[in-house]
Amino acid sequence: GESVGLHLPTLSVQEGDNSIINCAYSNSASDYFIWYKQESGKGPQFIIDIRSNMDKRQGQRVTVLLNKTVKHLSLQIAATQPGDSAVYFCAENTSSNTGKLIFGQGTTLQVKP
Amino acid sequence: NAGVTQTPKFQVLKTGQSMTLQCAQDMNHNSMYWYRQDPGMGLRLIYYSASEGTTDKGEVPNGYNVSRLNKREFSLRLESAAPSQTSVYFCASSRDRGSPLHFGNGTRLTVT
Repeated sequence: GESVGLHLPTLSVQEGDNSIINCAYSNSASDYFIWYKQESGKGPQFIIDIRSNMDKRQGQRVTVLLNKTVKHLSLQIAATQPGDSAVYFCAENTSSNTGKLIFGQGTTLQVKP
Repeated sequence: NAGVTQTPKFQVLKTGQSMTLQCAQDMNHNSMYWYRQDPGMGLRLIYYSASEGTTDKGEVPNGYNVSRLNKREFSLRLESAAPSQTSVYFCASSRDRGSPLHFGNGTRLTVT
């Protein structure tokens, strides 16, 4: 069935290092992917998105990579800061007709000072 | 510009009671969604409304009903609450299909 999953439930990095959060998806027909950040007590916050006709997209300190061959998505955060500590979710759009998103279970990023 | 606003922020219900969770967005978005978030389960779609006047079931619709009251508002109703509906409920909206979702800050519901 359709599923979106993350490889590691918790990632701990040193402040200033780069972070890489991974995600695997199972629906090869998915055409749109989004990364969200969720801080405690708040709703998910949009970070960056990528469509299936691209393999890389960059934002401010973040880069998303899409490998459709192995159905893998990653989020890279450069120079990780304490404010980056949160749970990160990847989400997959399984139907461009509805805009419904399927979310992975999340990876907790802990930034050590 | 408040984005997506959900009320109430917290609610405790007894089994069998009913309630309506309210959601409003001020971004003139066409699509609206209700998700629930449980520990270790990520976010699961309950219902969505692709445009004003339409609603459709998501992954976990049983025990819920929705109303797209107008373009701004999308409410979620629990007719007879059960302990399995204890969760954090998030409303979201998007400009159109294939656009990022913008989330509210959630309603934390406990059913005893």
